[in-house]
Amino acid sequence: EPEVTQTPSHQVTQMGQEVILRCVPISNHLYFYWYRQILGQKVEFLVSFYNNEISEKSEIFDDQFSVERPDGSNFTLKIRSTKLEDSAMYFCASSVGQGLETQYFGPGTRLLVL
Amino acid sequence: EDQVTQSPEALRLQEGESSSLNCSYTVSGLRGLFWYRQDPGKGPEFLFTLYSAGEEKEKERLKATLTKKESFLHITAPKPEDSATYLCAVRAGNNRKLIWGLGTSLAVNP
Repeated sequence: EPEVTQTPSHQVTQMGQEVILRCVPISNHLYFYWYRQILGQKVEFLVSFYNNEISEKSEIFDDQFSVERPDGSNFTLKIRSTKLEDSAMYFCASSVGQGLETQYFGPGTRLLVL
Repeated sequence: EDQVTQSPEALRLQEGESSSLNCSYTVSGLRGLFWYRQDPGKGPEFLFTLYSAGEEKEKERLKATLTKKESFLHITAPKPEDSATYLCAVRAGNNRKLIWGLGTSLAVNP
């Protein structure tokens, strides 16, 4: 069964460093998403991406964040200068679109900023 | 403001003891309500999508229902392997983002 994959599973970084989180969405899906979940809190939407551009973003997704689809399979989230409060689980998701709205999630990347 | 509230926050059941989890929502123009299961340290695993009031979906011991204000996830004769956090999320209006509840942490004792 096709699934969303994410790498790395864990990332530890120093405050102020750049991190790139990687995702491979399900191959025939057209919409891609990033969410995050701080420990003990709700899952929060960050950004959605369609047709090689951002279609929607939240207030959390400020200038420190960027997304890219560098090739036909990968979808990345870059945090330019990490802060302590960026520590969270980051989930990538994808959906077919075209009326089929279910989003399928990857296993997540646990990011710890020290 | 669009909002999703789940109750109870935590539920402990004996194996075989049926129960229901609640997800109440306040959104403008519901475009879908989604149930996911999340195991510790893992990503949300899709269970059901419901689009309109009166709709029901069923899978093994789980059944999801939807009204205009809330959704229920009914668990019939649960087993220990059903222990997880059950998350509810909604999509509203023209947005594709999902708005999430905090979840119900379910523990099923053998």
